Amino acid sequence: RKEVEQDPGPFNVPEGATVAFNCTYSNSASQSFFWYRQDCRKEPKLLMSVYSSGNEDGRFTAQLNRASQYISLLIRDSKLSDSATYLCVVNRGTGRRALTFGSGTRLQVQP
Amino acid sequence: SQTIHQWPATLVQPVGSPLSLECTVEGTSNPNLYWYRQAAGRGLQLLFYSVGIGQISSEVPQNLSASRPQDRQFILSSKKLLLSDSGFYLCAWSSPLVNTEAFFGQGTRLTVV
Repeated sequence: RKEVEQDPGPFNVPEGATVAFNCTYSNSASQSFFWYRQDCRKEPKLLMSVYSSGNEDGRFTAQLNRASQYISLLIRDSKLSDSATYLCVVNRGTGRRALTFGSGTRLQVQP
Repeated sequence: SQTIHQWPATLVQPVGSPLSLECTVEGTSNPNLYWYRQAAGRGLQLLFYSVGIGQISSEVPQNLSASRPQDRQFILSSKKLLLSDSGFYLCAWSSPLVNTEAFFGQGTRLTVV
């Protein structure tokens, strides 16, 4: 089983749509959770951290369910510029600094 | 503010040739440093990480090696490249505190021919 699993997509949605990405992780000791965005042929960039209480940043909402080891990202009112690959990221547990990346979910927002 | 530099951006090397990719970080001390590789259309694979000078942890057995000769310098090397070494190599750094996000350099796209 992969440490971090994501639906690879692609998700093809029209502008203005709401889209949700899901991610599961296998290491119950993981303590830090992030969503990164990666544009084609570019480096990944931090989109947002994911907190136990859930957090929102504009059109983006992230949720964490520790009991189910499940993370989600919701994008409302999709823009063309949201087209990218979204990577689910977890750390490896207490005292372990390295991050494990999911393979990513590709989003294509269409006009 | 902190910045990370990685070079070269693109590299084409013949099979059997050596490799040296360099990464430096500015604006922070004692960062955690990482080398990741991303094959075409695939996820990021952690190759090496370092929590201090001369301290290297290898994640995947392979013909690559890493070194950290200075606090903010991380080097990825190979003595003889294989075709399977082609990919997008990314250097990253994170705070020495636990549970923090990582920040990436712009990456090196390596093609072994």
